[in-house]
Amino acid sequence: DTEVTQTPKHLVMGMTNKKSLKCEQHMGHRAMYWYKQKAKKPPELMFVYSYEKLSINESVPSRFSPECPNSSLLNLHLHALQPEDSALYLCASSPQGFMIQGTLAYEQYFGPGTRLTVT
Amino acid sequence: AQTVTQSQPEMSVQEAETVTLSCTYDTSESDYYLFWYKQPPSRQMILVIRQEAYKQQNATENRFSVNFQKAAKSFSLKISDSQLGDAAMYFCAYSQGGSEKLVFGKGTKLTVNP
Repeated sequence: DTEVTQTPKHLVMGMTNKKSLKCEQHMGHRAMYWYKQKAKKPPELMFVYSYEKLSINESVPSRFSPECPNSSLLNLHLHALQPEDSALYLCASSPQGFMIQGTLAYEQYFGPGTRLTVT
Repeated sequence: AQTVTQSQPEMSVQEAETVTLSCTYDTSESDYYLFWYKQPPSRQMILVIRQEAYKQQNATENRFSVNFQKAAKSFSLKISDSQLGDAAMYFCAYSQGGSEKLVFGKGTKLTVNP
């Protein structure tokens, strides 16, 4: 089972609102990711959590705040967003990297995304 | 920095025919992995196939196969017996060994005509 779930599917929020996106996986994966994807563009990495610790932050504005309460759950807290933040937000997870010839490789499995509209 | 280039923004194929999507990449690393992801209009990104750089044998998954040319830094995806459900945006992606980051190409939109 390679299922990553995300809620809500759609979210409309005003620029002064506070909301959260939720991502869950029950596959025992050790890394979880947040991506932002604009229409007809590839996903852009925002954050990576590895063993529940933030390992990568791609210089994302502080109005996006990630949280990893446990190994199965990843949240993205949103506050004071701008209209240009409207996008599809994808969560992904990957199992423990498999060792091949001395290096680790990771396969990422994506959730269905949350379509966010900021008004 | 590594880059991934997909030179075909859009492609179309007749149902039951074969189509090849192109991807080239640039890296100075020797340990890396290449992926093709499919994103149908329903949005969920699905891993189609993976290739390890050290392997000379091309990866295959049912109707999907790759042509991996390491010296040319080329990684094309061949879809045989195309089906309507293959219609999607296809992203080529690169991952350096030991890195959790994926570098994506800009994508190729595939249309399958009945």
